[in-house]
Amino acid sequence: DAKTTQPNSMESNEEEPVHLPCNHSTISGTDYIHWYRQLPSQGPEYVIHGLTSNVNNRMASLAIAEDRKSSTLILHRATLRDAAVYYCILNSRGGGGSQGNLIFGKGTKLSVKP
Amino acid sequence: GAVVSQHPSRVICKSGTSVKIECRSLDFQATTMFWYRQFPKQSLMLMATSNEGSKATYEQGVEKDKFLINHASLTLSTLTVTSAHPEDSSFYICSARGVRVDRGNSPLHFGNGTRLTVT
Repeated sequence: DAKTTQPNSMESNEEEPVHLPCNHSTISGTDYIHWYRQLPSQGPEYVIHGLTSNVNNRMASLAIAEDRKSSTLILHRATLRDAAVYYCILNSRGGGGSQGNLIFGKGTKLSVKP
Repeated sequence: GAVVSQHPSRVICKSGTSVKIECRSLDFQATTMFWYRQFPKQSLMLMATSNEGSKATYEQGVEKDKFLINHASLTLSTLTVTSAHPEDSSFYICSARGVRVDRGNSPLHFGNGTRLTVT
């Protein structure tokens, strides 16, 4: 399974944009790039996903490099409630893991300062 | 959006007893449900995959006789931790995937987790 690499932690100031990077140099053509986040003591929450084109939704934007070997999750205005661990995960049409599950790395712990 | 309900959110039990955790998909049919476990300051680790109407598939190192999984309907899967011991204390999280051909283009929906403490 193609792996992703993320920084262990990042800090941001409240109401400023946050760019969370992810490297996935071994991505295959059928891999979608998914982002989830996990707030303390909660299950992961879906944020956004994309294949080739940049994507926007009410939570965030996803910028995908032209060669698809990296991507960036963009939170346009960080709030204190955005403090969480953010996971970048590759999910193929076959479903990621051998059983279609998502394989979680360590993610990036985002801290937001008031 | 799709909702997965997990119950209970927190449970404390004595060593040697069994605990059942329920995972329900509230507004969609889930042909596949996944059970993860997360220890403090670690990432989620897949324990097993359950498909409706068939036996669960367990990951290497996970005892199937200790962690019993039942997926009797398209909206309900249960995980029973049998003869629990303190080392089973963890955060258990279920997730569900709806019926969709292109699984890569379909998000997984997660429950809010169950904090199990075995004393």
